[in-house]
Amino acid sequence: QVQLQESGPGLVKPSETLSLTCTVSGGSISSFYWSWLRQPAGKGLEWIGRLYTSASVLYNPALMSRVTMSLDTPKNQFSLKLTSMTAADTAVYYCARGGPYGSGVLDFWGQGILVTVSS
Amino acid sequence: DIQMTQSPSSLSASVGDRVTISCQASQDISNYLNWYQQKPGEAPKLLIFDASNLKTGVPSRFSGSGSGTDFTFTINSLQPEDIATYYCQQYDNPIFTFGPGTKVDVK
Repeated sequence: QVQLQESGPGLVKPSETLSLTCTVSGGSISSFYWSWLRQPAGKGLEWIGRLYTSASVLYNPALMSRVTMSLDTPKNQFSLKLTSMTAADTAVYYCARGGPYGSGVLDFWGQGILVTVSS
Repeated sequence: DIQMTQSPSSLSASVGDRVTISCQASQDISNYLNWYQQKPGEAPKLLIFDASNLKTGVPSRFSGSGSGTDFTFTINSLQPEDIATYYCQQYDNPIFTFGPGTKVDVK
């Protein structure tokens, strides 16, 4: 059974950069698409972007200027960096797999990590 | 980007009722439409992919239909454990977008 686990700081100061890592266990990170999403408290889901390899990435245009994603295949991890954080970026951040049904069919998700932006 | 809408935004039904949720895309997305269930405090879970395909292990009381711009999600015989918010999501456009969600409650 594939499992995903997000890790990183729960608190980030305004203007700083958020760095999150998603560790994949129970399966290889190769040959699948990996997405990051977020959900502000009480609100809906926003897709941040996805990657297949570190060179094959696609970002949500709304966040593209601030987002970088990368893959660490030997460690079976992928990561998210989001710069210039503001209070509007406070949310639960999820990583998810675009599995065998299709790159956009998110069949496994991490439990989520709450990131609060505050000084 | 493709905009997704859902109706209703919330509903309350009795155990055993049939529940139907609608999802509409702002343009033709063929059948590239998924449905997720999110219980409070948990991550979303995939229930249905490609409009009508049930993910392995998901109870058969859940079903989906539709193509193009109009889609329907149905729970036949609502159970107490189905209390959750349900989201539709399109992936016809590589920028994935979600509907705003439908909160389902049990009377």
